[in-house]
Amino acid sequence: GAVVSQHPSRVICKSGTSVKIECRSLDFQATTMFWYRQFPKQSLMLMATSNEGSKATYEQGVEKDKFLINHASLTLSTLTVTSAHPEDSSFYICSARRTGANEKLFFGSGTQLSVL
Amino acid sequence: GQSLEQPSEVTAVEGAIVQINCTYQTSGFYGLSWYQQHDGGAPTFLSYNALDGLEETGRFSSFLSRSDSYGYLLLQELQMKDSASYFCAVGETGGFKTIFGAGTRLFVKA
Repeated sequence: GAVVSQHPSRVICKSGTSVKIECRSLDFQATTMFWYRQFPKQSLMLMATSNEGSKATYEQGVEKDKFLINHASLTLSTLTVTSAHPEDSSFYICSARRTGANEKLFFGSGTQLSVL
Repeated sequence: GQSLEQPSEVTAVEGAIVQINCTYQTSGFYGLSWYQQHDGGAPTFLSYNALDGLEETGRFSSFLSRSDSYGYLLLQELQMKDSASYFCAVGETGGFKTIFGAGTRLFVKA
């Protein structure tokens, strides 16, 4: 099956710093990747759709200046949490789908962000 | 807007059969999928229905009725390792994004 790699798996940072999370599709090209946020024992909330070579599409209520998304190649999307605050602490997880296989998302292993 | 409803928790015993229902309301629907997530892990794809009817994959089956905006996941011969959260998710044609339900926590007891 397809593999999506996400790094880092865990980040602890001070309030006010920025954190970058990388998501790579290892064995397929992903023109579109998706970033989700998940609080403990809750659902996956779609934050944005990352499109290769163009601007990301953000869901309503998600601050685009706070959560910067860059999709510079067909295998890499990054999410940068800028000026992180304790309320940004969460589990962030990326996903991608193969071209022509819209039914199935492949997920990265997630990043647990803790902002002190 | 979109909304999906599924039970928050289900408890069953090993070897039993359990059904997790999902009702949805969305625009531009193109399919219903199911994902499993163990605590601390990433969701993994289980099943997908684009058309009405039953799809069977080993111990897991999924059903869809588009006219009723309803689907379910059926887990047979439950095992302890099946204890996890199960999410139904709808695919939307607008942006081909996937929206997840709140999840159902399944507890399998010996």
